[in-house]
Amino acid sequence: NAGVTQTPKFQVLKTGQSMTLQCAQDMNHEYMSWYRQDPGMGLRLIHYSVGAGITDQGEVPNGYNVSRSTTEDFPLRLLSAAPSQTSVYFCASSPGTQNIQYFGAGTRLSVL
Amino acid sequence: GENVEQHPSTLSVQEGDSAVIKCTYSDSASNYFPWYKQELGKRPQLIIDIRSNVGEKKDQRIAVTLNKTAKHFSLHITETQPEDSAVYFCAATLYNNNDMRFGAGTRLTVKP
Repeated sequence: NAGVTQTPKFQVLKTGQSMTLQCAQDMNHEYMSWYRQDPGMGLRLIHYSVGAGITDQGEVPNGYNVSRSTTEDFPLRLLSAAPSQTSVYFCASSPGTQNIQYFGAGTRLSVL
Repeated sequence: GENVEQHPSTLSVQEGDSAVIKCTYSDSASNYFPWYKQELGKRPQLIIDIRSNVGEKKDQRIAVTLNKTAKHFSLHITETQPEDSAVYFCAATLYNNNDMRFGAGTRLTVKP
């Protein structure tokens, strides 16, 4: 039981490049979320999903896309990377609304 | 949307002393309040949570109190130990909603 797995762990992009951050969970959780963590700002919700085929925007969705084709996977796409997207990104899954969230190990992204 | 404020941003205590971290929230419809601990370079992990139908919850040295009228909740750690040193985040979410909002975090240092 691996829990929540994020790849890659580190990534450096140039401004304007696109990429996908991968997130997979093996706990059969319906709820999955993406957060970004910046110094002094806590965790901010980007997008979330309440089940396969269902996604919704969080607090800071601009510049990011998500999809949920399976229960297990919830990739985050950066369409055209900007320096303001330099951050640590965490994926999380949860067995239900208002329940414990299990976080992945994070992806540290730098956009130059 | 919900807005969560957390104080203090840093807290230093002597080993064995108590530590208290306070959070306020803006939306009176919020009814789930978790606390996460994040050690340096690690992922956030849930340490305790409380729902709005409960005023206090304890788990060994950790307790959380909730004042719905004043819209604030607090984390209390007694008999602090060096391994309690970490960043602590509070969060709040509305009923039947997966849009969780986090406070900016409190860096707790426990000096031996």
